[in-house]
Amino acid sequence: SQQGEEDPQALSIQEGENATMNCSYKTSINNLQWYRQNSGRGLVHLILIRSNEREKHSGRLRVTLDTSKKSSSLLITASRAADTASYFCATVPTDSWGKLQFGAGTQVVVTP
Amino acid sequence: EADIYQTPRYLVIGTGKKITLECSQTMGHDKMYWYQQDPGMELHLIHYSYGVNSTEKGDLSSESTVSRIRTEHFPLTLESARPSHTSQYLCASSEIFNEQFFGPGTRLTVL
Repeated sequence: SQQGEEDPQALSIQEGENATMNCSYKTSINNLQWYRQNSGRGLVHLILIRSNEREKHSGRLRVTLDTSKKSSSLLITASRAADTASYFCATVPTDSWGKLQFGAGTQVVVTP
Repeated sequence: EADIYQTPRYLVIGTGKKITLECSQTMGHDKMYWYQQDPGMELHLIHYSYGVNSTEKGDLSSESTVSRIRTEHFPLTLESARPSHTSQYLCASSEIFNEQFFGPGTRLTVL
């Protein structure tokens, strides 16, 4: 079953704008991770946030985690055309021994 | 340079053929995974391994099989390919609870 559900399914913005996507999950987790996938390629790890953390930054990325609401958000600031990709959240449930459970992803298109 | 490799990148094959998708990593990771992904859809875990001679089935039932004889190598085999096996197959490796490193994927088409 799908652990993570992402919202929106698709997002179209212009260069320079911020992009925000949300992820909700169902069970208690060890950590939550965000990945990017360019069309037809493998996934690239972006950021990992542990269950005892509330916010994390990496370059133009900002991730928040609210374990009480079982939700996370990914913010990409000052987007670029190269940010066009699908973004997936993935949780590591506490009883999963490191196995990731992926959401369906958000397709982001950044136009010049 | 530490990396994870998959071959072939693309495979078009007829129904009934036996195929093996290769996956190798140079990072010394004990944990390796196979995912199946249809275009624009989520990833589904079909097999995983926590070390040599350890293999488990994932959340999505699959007719494929895997083996783990060496730490760095985790091949996936389909004994008799069918059109329903058409999909993208992604291999990954990790240290437990940490980020997973993904290969570029194999796009399989069964005619």
